[in-house]
Amino acid sequence: GAGVSQSPSNKVTEKGKDVELRCDPISGHTALYWYRQSLGQGLEFLIYFQGNSAPDKSGLPSDRFSAERTGGSVSTLTIQRTQQEDSAVYLCASSLDPPDRPGNTIYFGEGSWLTVV
Amino acid sequence: EDKVVQSPLSLVVHEGDTVTLNCSYEVTNFRSLLWYKQEKKAPTFLFMLTSSGIEKKSGRLSSILDKKELFSILNITATQTGDSAVYLCALSGGSNYKLTFGKGTLLTVNP
Repeated sequence: GAGVSQSPSNKVTEKGKDVELRCDPISGHTALYWYRQSLGQGLEFLIYFQGNSAPDKSGLPSDRFSAERTGGSVSTLTIQRTQQEDSAVYLCASSLDPPDRPGNTIYFGEGSWLTVV
Repeated sequence: EDKVVQSPLSLVVHEGDTVTLNCSYEVTNFRSLLWYKQEKKAPTFLFMLTSSGIEKKSGRLSSILDKKELFSILNITATQTGDSAVYLCALSGGSNYKLTFGKGTLLTVNP
């Protein structure tokens, strides 16, 4: 696609429910990232995918968070038993590999705004 | 642990003013420093800096890196209302895929 696409753009859920957030990266981008941005905070790294594998899951806040990527394309971030502190904007990004090669810009989607009530 | 500190946290200027946004960092293994502009939700890429002293320019925006003193600045000249946004500084350190972000500078340009 033309850009990184995320859905839903907004989600309100009740505490304790599970949510799934979807990311469709730019076509051909092998690297995919999930970040979280809480109010007044910088972006916080969650997970990185290289193809379908996730060599670094260190940023996932707890075992309630999981992510997968299939076909080297679409990724889903799942939050189980949501808590109020999970409320944030979840941003997905993608790039060519390696991401620190000049020109291999990391492009962000518009994010999924999650509110847990 | 890598660390990025941006200042000021917020700034209000009038159209036509010149602004300088600051980013200082601590890093174990420096790879690159990046600047992003975030207007609504999606941060958009501005610059990637890897070498000291080489200014990157794009129109009215420019940025430079000092790897000895561990900081970068983003300059915006002749500001316009459309420059109003949060400007994010990010560091690529020990791993080439994980960016450490600062909290950003909220710039408001009034007509």
